[in-house]
Amino acid sequence: DIVMTQSPDSLAVSLGERATIKCKSSQSVLHRSDNKNYLAWFQQKPGQPPKLLIYWASTRYSGVPDRFSGSGSLTDFTLTISSLQAEDAAVYYCQQYYGSPPWTFGQGTKVEIK
Amino acid sequence: EVQLVESGGGLVKPGGSLRLSCAASGFTFNDYSLNWVRQAPGKGLEWVSYIDSWSSDIYYADSVKGRFTISRDNPMNSLYLEMNSLRAEDTAMYYCARVYMFQGLVDYWGPGTLVTVSS
Repeated sequence: DIVMTQSPDSLAVSLGERATIKCKSSQSVLHRSDNKNYLAWFQQKPGQPPKLLIYWASTRYSGVPDRFSGSGSLTDFTLTISSLQAEDAAVYYCQQYYGSPPWTFGQGTKVEIK
Repeated sequence: EVQLVESGGGLVKPGGSLRLSCAASGFTFNDYSLNWVRQAPGKGLEWVSYIDSWSSDIYYADSVKGRFTISRDNPMNSLYLEMNSLRAEDTAMYYCARVYMFQGLVDYWGPGTLVTVSS
């Protein structure tokens, strides 16, 4: 199984500042046949289901503000919130959906407002 | 508007059974594959099971294989998860989620239904 490891486990960022979350997979999630990284990012607020933010490592899902961006390839990925807003306080998960199941998630990173 | 609404959760004793349902609306149900994903209280997300549009491809996590059965009823726009031989470690919020573009990627999630396995 592919193990997803996020860092840090939590971070506190001031409003308007940048937040950066890392995600590392135990093996490459880049599919050579289509040159796509099978990596997604989700946001989850308390009492709510997760929301899809980013897929193919860097493609924003419909309606996601452009302050959210994803980057990286192979085994190392980053989610960046360029200017943190109050409503961005949440837990963020990376997930690989490469090939056959199981499709696995990182342990989550809690973003708080400083 | 896409909606997924789970039901059927509750308190069950270890070794017991439960059947979860997910009612879908706002999209053409038989055009989409679906997943069940769970989240233990205060913990992270765990993929549980996948079913394609016509129930021809089905997968399970090792942790539930042989105990859980996923199924769907396309005319009824419904997804199910039959859970048997339940264990304490199955305690979680169970979400149904619609597949987007590729098997393991999901976009819409239901609000979830809580399953508690305890004596």
